[in-house]
Amino acid sequence: AQKITQTQPGMFVQEKEAVTLDCTYDTSDPSYGLFWYKQPSSGEMIFLIYQGSYDQQNATEGRYSLNFQKARKSANLVISASQLGDSAMYFCAMREDRISSGSARQLTFGSGTQLTVLP
Amino acid sequence: ETGVTQTPRHLVMGMTNKKSLKCEQHLGHNAMYWYKQSAKKPLELMFVYSLEERVENNSVPSRFSPECPNSSHLFLHLHTLQPEDSALYLCASSQDRSVNTEAFFGQGTRLTVV
Repeated sequence: AQKITQTQPGMFVQEKEAVTLDCTYDTSDPSYGLFWYKQPSSGEMIFLIYQGSYDQQNATEGRYSLNFQKARKSANLVISASQLGDSAMYFCAMREDRISSGSARQLTFGSGTQLTVLP
Repeated sequence: ETGVTQTPRHLVMGMTNKKSLKCEQHLGHNAMYWYKQSAKKPLELMFVYSLEERVENNSVPSRFSPECPNSSHLFLHLHTLQPEDSALYLCASSQDRSVNTEAFFGQGTRLTVV
């Protein structure tokens, strides 16, 4: 079963508007972390925001906020006041605390959402 | 230098060639990773090194051979590749101590096998 699901292959948003990128996850581990990364056309993966499973409040980082709904196992990324430079691929990822093999905790990624900001 | 650096940025190789991808991190991390990103597919984890020991090998063909000589350097040796191996190869590092440590990525090597 897929651990991270991003159901929006592509999204469009008008400049200066807010946009929500969906992410749902699947885990039986009570301790886990959720991450969002941005990948511009240059290829580099840029870390945006983190949410821990035990965090009581939704994470915020500048124009980025994470709408964390633990019971629904969703961790949607909200980008406020979109800018043209926000056009990129966005990936949701999860790291579980339980180590299933070896001694390193792995990041598992979703398939990504291509966001295009329109002028 | 800071962050994670990958070289080369672009590589075109024939199916009979042997080449190596290099990754270097200056963040003091103890875990390093190779990911493969093909068009329209999620990132696939290939190898994980923790404290310079390989701890994960996700059924990667033997034509890909990783090497981690020390905690700052990671290589991916390539030989007799196939055209379907053309992809973006991303290196990442993290401090593997808890779930809340993000991975830092290099800019990737865009590999084309002809």
